[in-house]
Amino acid sequence: GESVGLHLPTLSVQEGDNSIINCAYSNSASDYFIWYKQESGKGPQFIIDIRSNMDKRQGQRVTVLLNKTVKHLSLQIAATQPGDSAVYFCAETRGGSYIPTFGRGTSLIVHP
Amino acid sequence: EPEVTQTPSHQVTQMGQEVILRCVPISNHLYFYWYRQILGQKVEFLVSFYNNEISEKSEIFDDQFSVERPDGSNFTLKIRSTKLEDSAMYFCATKDQRSTDTQYFGPGTRLTVL
Repeated sequence: GESVGLHLPTLSVQEGDNSIINCAYSNSASDYFIWYKQESGKGPQFIIDIRSNMDKRQGQRVTVLLNKTVKHLSLQIAATQPGDSAVYFCAETRGGSYIPTFGRGTSLIVHP
Repeated sequence: EPEVTQTPSHQVTQMGQEVILRCVPISNHLYFYWYRQILGQKVEFLVSFYNNEISEKSEIFDDQFSVERPDGSNFTLKIRSTKLEDSAMYFCATKDQRSTDTQYFGPGTRLTVL
């Protein structure tokens, strides 16, 4: 969900658990969605993407689910590892533009 | 694996000074972007660049900003007269062809305006 000021939503999990990070978008015209991972002091790193004609896409240990009815996107990380600790952003593009609009992000903390 | 590089990693400047942030794209990439991220806030799009001209720009990218590819390799962002509120991380991103949406980000330059 949204956060206020400098505080990001935080998800704390134990190593080995599955993690689910959620993102809501507001524009029904959005047709392409991306999840990025941003580690401290680094730039965003592409994780997985999905187009609006799909509702699920799987990668290595990650799955993105898209629910266009409620404009909701989720990122599932299986068997979460300490190296997964980072801020995760969803981003959306629409109308053929390749410029992503980023969400504020969720901080994932994985405890060993 | 090829990656986008940016220099400097940290730039400290006085308000009113000009700064140039540099990016070396992945070699076969043709689309270039600048983003900024103010501390603790979300990433914001500044400008996209293709075929030696600006494709799209945001409201943030006003007359104080400019971009160019001076030597066909580097991609630069110039801020002519920096303001305190320009302090942020600036990320360059590149993409290889229009049909591929994935942008690859550099590590960023932290700009501090005093």
